[in-house]
Amino acid sequence: DTAVSQTPKYLVTQMGNDKSIKCEQNLGHDTMYWYKQDSKKFLKIMFSYNNKELIINETVPNRFSPKSPDKAHLNLHINSLELGDSAVYFCASSGGTPTNEKLFFGSGTQLSVL
Amino acid sequence: GESVGLHLPTLSVQEGDNSIINCAYSNSASDYFIWYKQESGKGPQFIIDIRSNMDKRQGQRVTVLLNKTVKHLSLQIAATQPGDSAVYFCAETLSGGSYIPTFGRGTSLIVHP
Repeated sequence: DTAVSQTPKYLVTQMGNDKSIKCEQNLGHDTMYWYKQDSKKFLKIMFSYNNKELIINETVPNRFSPKSPDKAHLNLHINSLELGDSAVYFCASSGGTPTNEKLFFGSGTQLSVL
Repeated sequence: GESVGLHLPTLSVQEGDNSIINCAYSNSASDYFIWYKQESGKGPQFIIDIRSNMDKRQGQRVTVLLNKTVKHLSLQIAATQPGDSAVYFCAETLSGGSYIPTFGRGTSLIVHP
């Protein structure tokens, strides 16, 4: 069974569209994350979320919004897509405590905005 | 700006050689460091970690060294194999914060048969 799964694997869309990427973890973790990986492989945190707190990277445009229906899911919704949003987006989860910070990543969603 | 960085973006080695990947971090408050391996088309995977109360930690064919004086971290891979070819990231976690790992830029390791 896949620990952290995200869908779709590939997403090709036009500028201006709204899209969502789904993420689910079956590890029982309390904290989930979204990272953006650019063409130079740099991994940048976008959001961190548990059932108590949403931490937003202040550099992330408000067109991006995380939505968590329950502890096992953290979806990423993107409004009015722009060319610069093209990247690989990774979902991850962790225990979120000082002794359990190890991240488990999904396999990524490659977003291409045309 | 980034608080974690890498000295070498690409490292090419021959199969069987030992590989050393370096990482510099800037925040002296960081107390937990993690190395991840990312293969093509996949998400990063945990390799090994170390806490700031340690200088060295060994795993299977991998060793992480931590030098807090100069804020430097290294990953040593013994007898490198073609399957080790990947991008390697170091990450640091800030003590007392929200425990969100901050990643460095990554080093691409290429192992030639």
